[in-house]
Parts: sequence; structure tokens; C-alpha cells
Amino acid sequence: DAGITQSPRYKITETGRQVTLMCHQTWSHSYMFWYRQDLGHGLRLIYYSAAADITDKGEVPDGYVVSRSKTENFPLTLESATRSQTSVYFCASSRGRITEAFFGQGTRLTVV
Amino acid sequence: QKEVEQDPGPLSVPEGAIVSLNCTYSNSAFQYFMWYRQYSRKGPELLMYTYSSGNKEDGRFTAQVDKSSKYISLFIRDSQPSDSATYLCADLMTTDSWGKFQFGAGTQVVVTP
Repeated sequence: DAGITQSPRYKITETGRQVTLMCHQTWSHSYMFWYRQDLGHGLRLIYYSAAADITDKGEVPDGYVVSRSKTENFPLTLESATRSQTSVYFCASSRGRITEAFFGQGTRLTVV
Repeated sequence: QKEVEQDPGPLSVPEGAIVSLNCTYSNSAFQYFMWYRQYSRKGPELLMYTYSSGNKEDGRFTAQVDKSSKYISLFIRDSQPSDSATYLCADLMTTDSWGKFQFGAGTQVVVTP
């Protein structure tokens, strides 16, 4: 199906483990984003990417790593998960620098 | 201080009423604003975008921008229970040559039958 998909939809992991959240889009959008959504904070930008091999930090990047070797994929890795990283993570993409963003369905991550 | 502020609600209205949602912004390089709707346990979905002052209509939805007061609004006419969701406003920010989105915290809307 065309669009933007995230996997897994739900994940429970233990403190200290590495976990990778996947994001795939079929529109060939240049820009991709990772957000986390928490009660009281709304959507906060973790990392973003303007093209393959071009990434930069957002508002809350600590503890996260991203890569973008292909235009369509933008995985987010938590190198050593902490309880404070329990959240709902959303991936988004946009066609250009001044265009609207489209979101995936989210990954609900619980760190125990 | 967040760049985009929204009242979290909840805002409860009876079916058929007009829903009025507001955001204020502090700085906006392109003044390109978006409204998203988010149902519980779903991703935000784009409702409307606008980059000029005045009104933009799409069916029952009207987006309004008042640049003089840095106010953006969304109106939903003839509200339905299916409109019950959280509504997020967003502003396109820039840093260097990048564009990225700054979101409000969202307003929860409940439309009662």
C-alpha cells in the first residue's frame, strides 16, 4: 500500500536494550521526521532528514540515533532504552521544504 | 515558551454546533500553518493548510489566519460525533535551509449526540 508505514505498532522493551523503530514511505518524499508524543508535551521533534544521508537533530535528540541510507526509509534507534523514552513515536514525511507533512500510524513503545 | 500555543480543552459541544479552535504563534518564518486531526491511538491526519491571511474553506471546515494578532483558527460547522478528536495546529519553522514543523499541544474536542 502506498503511504507511510511504521513498524512495529507496539513494542515493550527492557531498560538498557537497543531498539529500532522502522519507518517506510512510498511517496519518494525528500523530508522525513521523527516525533514523540507525550501527554502535556504534544508532538516534539527528535530528528529530521532532508534527503538520504542528510540528517539533523530536532528538539529532543538525546538517546536517539537515526540513519537514512535510502530515501524511503528512516529508522530510529534507541541505543540504550530508558523509562523516560516510553512514548508514542510518529514518523512523518513531506514533499519539500515548505509543504505539509503526512504521518504514520505511530509506534507505542513501553520501556520497563 | 512554545512557539505555538493551544488550549488543551476538552471542548465539549452538542451535535450540530460550531466548533471553534484557536492557536497563537510567536514567530513564523513562512506563515504556513496546518491543522491536523488525531483520533485516539491514531496518527495525525492533515485537515487543512493555509499560508495567507483570511479564510480558507473545505467542506465543513474553515481555517482562518489573523497575522496582525498572530492567531490561527479552525471552525467546524454542523459538528458530528465523528469530529470528536484532538486537533493540532502546526507552524512551519525554518532553521538554516531546513523546514520543520512546530506543533501545538492539541485541543481535545468532544461532540455529544
